[in-house]
Parts: sequence; structure tokens; C-alpha cells
Amino acid sequence: AQKVTQAQTEISVVEKEDVTLDCVYETRDTTYYLFWYKQPPSGELVFLIRRNSFDEQNEISGRYSWNFQKSTSSFNFTITASQVVDSAVYFCALSEAGEGAQKLVFGQGTRLTINP
Amino acid sequence: DAGITQSPRHKVTETGTPVTLRCHQTENHRYMYWYRQDPGHGLRLIHYSYGVKDTDKGEVSDGYSVSRSKTEDFLLTLESATSSQTSVYFCAALQGLNTEAFFGQGTRLTVV
Repeated sequence: AQKVTQAQTEISVVEKEDVTLDCVYETRDTTYYLFWYKQPPSGELVFLIRRNSFDEQNEISGRYSWNFQKSTSSFNFTITASQVVDSAVYFCALSEAGEGAQKLVFGQGTRLTINP
Repeated sequence: DAGITQSPRHKVTETGTPVTLRCHQTENHRYMYWYRQDPGHGLRLIHYSYGVKDTDKGEVSDGYSVSRSKTEDFLLTLESATSSQTSVYFCAALQGLNTEAFFGQGTRLTVV
């Protein structure tokens, strides 16, 4: 069965610090997709990134970067030079490419607080 | 929001009453999902659908049922609401395996 674990329940850092959010997943499939979503205090869920299981290249988007390592089943998210606006709950998610049905499973989320 | 609307946005109901939440999408997404969000638990999958009349259970399906008679609508029903079903409910939809999910705004349900 697929499973996503975000062991860090809450993280608090001071503005401009770098912070890494961990995500570990379990799946039996060889084809799957990983996602990160952001939930700001306003409550909506905002898509950040999608990565398929065949693409282990790290990705950088501005201050955000993602490190995907199949060997350790991890898909970690780093924010460089954090800002107060980065304060949110961040979710990692896993989707398996099964026949017909497709489950999309989320981790427990990490609440990130950036203090000025 | 990619054309995903949840209704109602807020509801207070009494224990034992039936409740139906609606998720409506306008983008012809094949897959639709219902999640509940509770502190300390993140987003937990209740039920999902992979086509009209094709649904399956998620990890917390007890006490919930769903129906999808049209592509655009996915209904979540609490047959007899309990206080433990007080939560924020999110609907999501996506087109295919390699696409991101789009979420509705959420429904805050309180069972008293």
C-alpha cells in the first residue's frame, strides 16, 4: 500500500534561514508521481511541484528546490532564504499509476513558521 | 481553483442527521477525491472516483458514502452524522496520472 510520511510536524525558523522539509514515501509501483502542496493560513491548497518516478533530477524554482532520491524513497523540499510569506502547512503526496483506479495519498503535513 | 466548487462552504448539523456535501467541477476531470483535514492528521482520503459510477474507499471511509452519477459531480454523504465527523472536507479533481490535483475551497462541517 502507498504511504507518505512527513515526520516533522512543526518547524520554526527565523527569516532568511534555509529550511528543509522531509518526505518519505512507500510504494510497490515502479511508476508513480510525487507532489508538494502548500496550504497558507487562508486555507486553500496550492500546487508547488510534480515529479515522476523516472525523473530523479533535482529541481530549483527561485528559492524553492526539491531533492528526489529513489534509493532512500525521499522527496525533500528546501526553502532557501526563507521569508515570512513562506509560513504555511506543506503537504507531500504520492500517486500510483495503477490500472483504472488511482489513489492520491497525502502525508500528515509540516507546519512551517517563519519568524521575522 | 480550476473550476472546482464545493457546497456548502460551512454547515452545522446535529448528531444523527444525514448530510450531503457536493463537489462540482467544470473541467471534465476523470478522477475525483474527498479528503478530510484534521489537526495532526493532515489530509486523509475518504473515497475517490475514477469515472462515472466507479468509486472506491480510502483510508477513512467508515460512516461515509459517495456517488458519482455525472462526471462533474461527486457527492459525499454522511448517513448519520457523528461528532467525530466534525472536520474540514476538501474535494479534489485531476485529469490524469501525471497531472496535479486541483482542490475546492473546502467545507467546514460541525456536528453538534
